[in-house]
Amino acid sequence: GDSVTQMEGPVTLSEEAFLTINCTYTATGYPSLFWYVQYPGEGLQLLLKATKADDKGSNKGFEATYRKETTSFHLEKGSVQVSDSAVYFCALSDRGGGSYIPTFGRGTSLIVHP
Amino acid sequence: DVKVTQSSRYLVKRTGEKVFLECVQDMDHENMFWYRQDPGLGLRLIYFSYDVKMKEKGDIPEGYSVSREKKERFSLILESASTNQTSMYLCASNPSRSSNQPQHFGDGTRLSIL
Repeated sequence: GDSVTQMEGPVTLSEEAFLTINCTYTATGYPSLFWYVQYPGEGLQLLLKATKADDKGSNKGFEATYRKETTSFHLEKGSVQVSDSAVYFCALSDRGGGSYIPTFGRGTSLIVHP
Repeated sequence: DVKVTQSSRYLVKRTGEKVFLECVQDMDHENMFWYRQDPGLGLRLIYFSYDVKMKEKGDIPEGYSVSREKKERFSLILESASTNQTSMYLCASNPSRSSNQPQHFGDGTRLSIL
């Protein structure tokens, strides 16, 4: 079946540092890929997405590129802020049995210090 | 914007009680989902529904049931609550089973079973 593997956290950075959160996937079909963010006390919200190979999703300074050859969708940001502290989830949506079923990674906690 | 509303942010119940968690979405989405979120385990799918009166088991349906009498409302039922069901419960929706669109999440219900 489909699966998503993302690096374990917590990831602890100083403000303005460069961020990478690794995400790799296995899928039987040709999935769409997503990054969600969960701020403390809230539900998940979509951060960015990509629907085909070599697509780059971007939002709020975050970027991720759909790499089919390495089955990866790593999240990057050039300069993190304290307000980026949250849990980040990588996810895919694949067409299995005629319906799109979402699969989530376990989440990576990011802590940014001033 | 899509709004997914969960009826309670915090809930405390006793072992053996029948517990109802309610979720309403306002965008005429076909699909609705219930997850539980636990530290280190990420999101685990309990049940989902593609249409009114339809339901499908997710990865961990044991001890839970669901009801979808109206398109906008999806209820999660703990038939006889147990302490191992203490968790954060998240409801989500997306447009249709043939779509790879992202999910929209509610803010979650933190349920404690004493």
